[in-house]
Amino acid sequence: DTEVTQTPKHLVMGMTNKKSLKCEQHMGHRAMYWYKQKAKKPPELMFVYSYEKLSINESVPSRFSPECPNSSLLNLHLHALQPEDSALYLCASSQTGQGTDEQFFGPGTRLTVL
Amino acid sequence: AQRVTQPEKLLSVFKGAPVELKCNYSYSGSPELFWYVQYSRQRLQLLLRHISRESIKGFTADLNKGETSFHLKKPFAQEEDSAMYYCALDTGRRALTFGSGTRLQVQP
Repeated sequence: DTEVTQTPKHLVMGMTNKKSLKCEQHMGHRAMYWYKQKAKKPPELMFVYSYEKLSINESVPSRFSPECPNSSLLNLHLHALQPEDSALYLCASSQTGQGTDEQFFGPGTRLTVL
Repeated sequence: AQRVTQPEKLLSVFKGAPVELKCNYSYSGSPELFWYVQYSRQRLQLLLRHISRESIKGFTADLNKGETSFHLKKPFAQEEDSAMYYCALDTGRRALTFGSGTRLQVQP
């Protein structure tokens, strides 16, 4: 399996809901990433996990909570989001997290916060 | 702080014409530079990286440290090259900073 998969494809949630986004890869990659992409804008890095440890948090609000249960799985837990958090959330993985590594992207979860 | 600038939002050329997508970066150290591409209804994927010094799908990009540029070039554009192209920079943090992207339209 040479793909990054993300579920769900679409998610609509209210501001009081709690939901989770899921990302999975079976390429043996040890670095995983969450990006946020607003319409007509480039992806913006949110979090980086390296060997299941959080290595970068780009000052993301605490209503976004990442989790890496094992080397193949990455979750993003959502709670008390705002309408401006509506975006495409992309997951990516790379072999070791070295700067020259290719990042493999998932198709994204399109989130709408009402 | 590092920054990547892609000055053109849209570049429209005819099939067979040369293409140059511009990318400039600001970073005082030794950067790792990439071009990522997103074709219609497909996921973002790596096109090429400067360290490989390779040509992919006829595209090349040369890192010019003096001009802090990493422009993407192809001598003869094809219709299937139509896509969104992002230049990206890694300063060694293992984190990509993307430019704003250039949409390439290749007309028949």
